[in-house]
Amino acid sequence: EVQLVESGGGLVQPGGSLRLSCAASGFTLSHYWMSWVRQAPGKGLEWLADIKQDGTKEHYVDSVRGRFTISRDNAKNLLYLQMNSLRAEDTAVYYCARWSPIDYWGQGTLVTVSS
Amino acid sequence: QTVVTQEPSLTVSPGGTVTLTCASSTGAVTSDSYPNWFQQKPGQAPRALIYSTTSKHSWTPARFSGSLLGGKAALTLSDVQPEDEAEYYCLLYYDNWVFGGGTKLTVL
Repeated sequence: EVQLVESGGGLVQPGGSLRLSCAASGFTLSHYWMSWVRQAPGKGLEWLADIKQDGTKEHYVDSVRGRFTISRDNAKNLLYLQMNSLRAEDTAVYYCARWSPIDYWGQGTLVTVSS
Repeated sequence: QTVVTQEPSLTVSPGGTVTLTCASSTGAVTSDSYPNWFQQKPGQAPRALIYSTTSKHSWTPARFSGSLLGGKAALTLSDVQPEDEAEYYCLLYYDNWVFGGGTKLTVL
């Protein structure tokens, strides 16, 4: 059974950093593009970043480019999102998803940026 | 930055048919934008329904179908069931991926 489980969310002060993890199971992570998507409270979905199977290509939405970094460790079946210089507007539920095709999603982890 | 537009809300009667659309600010939506559709119910993660315009996942009910219609991507629900009440999002690819704002579908 394919499963994606996010972790690492929590409360962080503006300007702070957080690293999210996404544990993949039930499939071979190295075969798939992967993405991070977020959803602010009461708002719609926003695609943030994706990463190629071998980690050699990454793409970002303008709002997080230079602050967030997507990475992966295929040997450990883990996807990461390093988030720096966090702002109040980054408060959201963050989802990882399998992206080729786009099919399975995790349940999300909540990140709250507040002083 | 491409803007993707969906109907904010639609209402359909049980057993009826409804079409949700997904438009791009850059012009007609084509299969080159790999239209995807997702369903999200309150408190739940999004669930993928359609990819690459028309392709269904193994779990996608037969009453859901994707197409291109009048320059837009479209999701048609036939024989709508009460459990289809949800928010629906489309996703298009224009150098990067862009979600539409979502359509709140009410079954009434």
